Amino acid sequence: GAVVSQHPSRVICKSGTSVKIECRSLDFQATTMFWYRQFPKKSLMLMATSNEGSKATYEQGVEKDKFLINHASLTLSTLTVTSAHPEDSSFYICSARGESGYYEQYFGPGTRLTVT
Amino acid sequence: GENVEQHPSTLSVQEGDSAVIKCTYSDSASNYFPWYKQELGKRPQLIIDIRSNVGEKKDQRIAVTLNKTAKHFSLHITETQPEDSAVYFCAAKRGNSGNTPLVFGKGTRLSVIA
Repeated sequence: GAVVSQHPSRVICKSGTSVKIECRSLDFQATTMFWYRQFPKKSLMLMATSNEGSKATYEQGVEKDKFLINHASLTLSTLTVTSAHPEDSSFYICSARGESGYYEQYFGPGTRLTVT
Repeated sequence: GENVEQHPSTLSVQEGDSAVIKCTYSDSASNYFPWYKQELGKRPQLIIDIRSNVGEKKDQRIAVTLNKTAKHFSLHITETQPEDSAVYFCAAKRGNSGNTPLVFGKGTRLSVIA
C-alpha cells in the first residue's frame, strides 16, 4: 500500500516552454501533497505544500507564478513549470500523506527535468 | 523556520563496522523524525522513524535515538554491508500540526568498503 506515482519520469523541453508533472496516489487518498526539488548530490528542498481543494503554500523564495501547483482531487496533484529555463533543470519529487496519516510521507519516483 | 543539520556529509566504513549519522533540529515543536535512504536517481525510501514520545527505536541492524532536550537524533547502522552504501537523509516534521511537511538534512553519503 501507499504507492505514489509520477509522470513523466524524464522530460526534456526547450527554454521558454511549460512542463506539467503529475503526482498520483494510487491506493490511498492524499489530503496533503508536497513538492520537493533536488539538485545533483544535494538535499531535498521543499517547494510547496498543497492541500486538496486549496491553494498551495509556497516556501520562501519559491516563485508561485513560476511553479504552479494544483491539487484538484484527493489522488492527483500537478506541478507546472512555466517558461522553463536551464536553471530549472532538476529532479522534482512529490510526496503524499493520507487522510489517516499524520506522520509518514510517501514519495513518488521523481521526474528529471532538463531544459535546453 | 525549521532547520535540520546533518553530519557527516560523507562517511566511509569497512564492511562489518558500525556507522553513525547525527542530526540536529531547531523547531522544538517537531515530533516526528524519519530517516530515508536514497540510491542514485531513485526515490527516498523510509528506513526507520521515531516519534517524540520515545527515545530509541530499533529494527534489526538499524536503530535511531532521539534526545528531545538537546534536539538531536542519530541513526546507527551495525554490521554494515556493501548494499548499505547510499545517501541517507534525516528529516524533521515541521511543527506538530497535521499538514506540515518534512524538512530534510543535507544528506550523508555512506560508503561501505568490502
